[in-house]
Amino acid sequence: DAEITQSPRHKITETGRQVTLACHQIWNHNNMFWYRQDLGHGLRLIHYSYGVQDTNKGEVSDGYSVSRSNTEDLPLTLESAASSQTSVYFCASGSQAYEQYFGPGTRLTVT
Amino acid sequence: AQSVTQPDIHITVSEGASLELRCNYSYGATPYLFWYVQSPGQGLQLLLKYFSGDTLVQGIKGFEAEFKRSQSSFNLRKPSVHWSDAAEYFCAVGAKNTGNQFYFGTGTSLTVIP
Repeated sequence: DAEITQSPRHKITETGRQVTLACHQIWNHNNMFWYRQDLGHGLRLIHYSYGVQDTNKGEVSDGYSVSRSNTEDLPLTLESAASSQTSVYFCASGSQAYEQYFGPGTRLTVT
Repeated sequence: AQSVTQPDIHITVSEGASLELRCNYSYGATPYLFWYVQSPGQGLQLLLKYFSGDTLVQGIKGFEAEFKRSQSSFNLRKPSVHWSDAAEYFCAVGAKNTGNQFYFGTGTSLTVIP
């Protein structure tokens, strides 16, 4: 199975601050994804990447950005954190079509 | 647009009883369908997937799911539930021709009572 790590696991930040959530996978998967999970909404796609220098917007990308400078990492940045971005964030990666291995998640609280 | 509906927010079953979790999808063609399980504080783990072929799909941990095109459904079943099956279950549809994007349902929380 793929191994994918996320850090930090828990984060509390203030409104307006910039926050970066890390995602690292050891399997050199080309495809990486960021989701947020909220009650009543399931998981919603924020951004995704199919390779180095490739990034794409998902369903709920406003207020978030990603960059892909190498295969292993896809950091997610909240440019100016808002209370509406309080959520649990999951990173996923995969090498084949519709294959996604999920990380353990980061719980972010914006106060 | 693609969408996934899980009508049951929460289900409680007795240990040893059978289980069926419902999933309905909206999609213009034959979709790619998935079931994931999420234990408390954990990420999502793939239980099974359907791409094509046999409409009854076997997965891990004794789970199976049946694709019914006429009903736009992909219900998850298990003949005998164990206490360790208590978790959140998510159905997802993979959108063809859009790369590898998934659309997830809102999840069904399963409680197992002794």
